[in-house]
Amino acid sequence: EAGVAQSPRYKIIEKRQSVAFWCNPISGHATLYWYQQILGQGPKLLIQFQNNGVVDDSQLPKDRFSAERLKGVDSTLKIQPAKLEDSAVYLCASSLVGGRIDGYTFGSGTRLTVV
Amino acid sequence: AQTVTQSQPEMSVQEAETVTLSCTYDTSESDYYLFWYKQPPSRQMILVIRQEAYKQQNATENRFSVNFQKAAKSFSLKISDSQLGDAAMYFCAYLDPFGGTSYGKLTFGQGTILTVHP
Repeated sequence: EAGVAQSPRYKIIEKRQSVAFWCNPISGHATLYWYQQILGQGPKLLIQFQNNGVVDDSQLPKDRFSAERLKGVDSTLKIQPAKLEDSAVYLCASSLVGGRIDGYTFGSGTRLTVV
Repeated sequence: AQTVTQSQPEMSVQEAETVTLSCTYDTSESDYYLFWYKQPPSRQMILVIRQEAYKQQNATENRFSVNFQKAAKSFSLKISDSQLGDAAMYFCAYLDPFGGTSYGKLTFGQGTILTVHP
């Protein structure tokens, strides 16, 4: 079974620029998550999709972050404009049924550096 | 809101020895799931072990086992016969039950860096 695919692996941008991350979950996984992991900390949930609908975006900074899930499969996370404090690893994960069976399956993440 | 606390920022162990990583959590739910994840420098989050709250028996996976104390809301990970490849950041995580208004949110602790000395 193919894993969760994410791209790009690394991205360096200047503050106030925009950036987008892409995620392709495991086939058949209805639930998709985006997490932000600041260096030395645990991941923090940004947004959770169930199929193509948002079920939790309470910690998403909506003034600069946006996300969508196309046709209930791929997802993109966008930051516009970026701030220095957005430097982090952005992890995408997916699960079959809310993670009960096997937890989540994570991608390798995108390391964003804002300079 | 559920919280997960890992009170040991760093731990070290000699190769072939045993080490225990601590985790406590706070919840008002009775049915939930707990996980330990390993994150090596490659950033890939790897599932180590899972525990269903309704099961009293502690989960084991080869050299990895947990001590689940539901009343105390404690969930520690024991690594036996430590190997150099076990060196990584370890995260304890709590999963909301799926159902009602919950779609399975995973909340992580702050992590424990494990160093294995040869």
